[in-house]
Amino acid sequence: KAGVTQTPRYLIKTRGQQVTLSCSPISGHRSVSWYQQTPGQGLQFLFEYFSETQRNKGNFPGRFSGRQFSNSRSEMNVSTLELGDSALYLCASSRGQGDTQYFGPGTRLTVL
Amino acid sequence: GESVGLHLPTLSVQEGDNSIINCAYSNSASDYFIWYKQESGKGPQFIIDIRSNMDKRQGQRVTVLLNKTVKHLSLQIAATQPGDSAVYFCAEKWQGAQKLVFGQGTRLTINP
Repeated sequence: KAGVTQTPRYLIKTRGQQVTLSCSPISGHRSVSWYQQTPGQGLQFLFEYFSETQRNKGNFPGRFSGRQFSNSRSEMNVSTLELGDSALYLCASSRGQGDTQYFGPGTRLTVL
Repeated sequence: GESVGLHLPTLSVQEGDNSIINCAYSNSASDYFIWYKQESGKGPQFIIDIRSNMDKRQGQRVTVLLNKTVKHLSLQIAATQPGDSAVYFCAEKWQGAQKLVFGQGTRLTINP
């Protein structure tokens, strides 16, 4: 069974731009969570989607948003990029809420 | 508070020895704990998990111990191999929530 896939793997943007990252969960998994990983803050929860609905949200500004499609694929969007948004963005999927989360390889975003 | 901490940021062991990685968690309401391994350039990889109604769980070469009295979690790796070199994260899931709260991580280095 294929694992969690994320595209693109690497991305370079400039301040003020916006970016959309994509995540395809493991087949049969309906919950998708997003995390931001930085050297200074570690792994921090962004939000979680289940059945196309955002069920949980972390402490990030409104510039960070996401959505989930009927096939459970998810996208996250960051608008008006700031230098501090440079990070590894990780997507994790689970069969349902409360089940083990499996991570993708991440998208490395660099904001110049 | 919302934190899962680790006692040591780095750990070096000889190949073949056993490793113990420790983790302290702060939320006594957490009901699920997971250990992840992250190698350079990759997303976190699930190693083993344990629910709060258990004290010990064993996998292949790994054992997780949970001490709810002192809110402590540990990961034991038996007969460490060069491939075990990575950063190890503990994570806790608060009861009723989907998000994972991660520790800072411990870098495990295996010396030949």
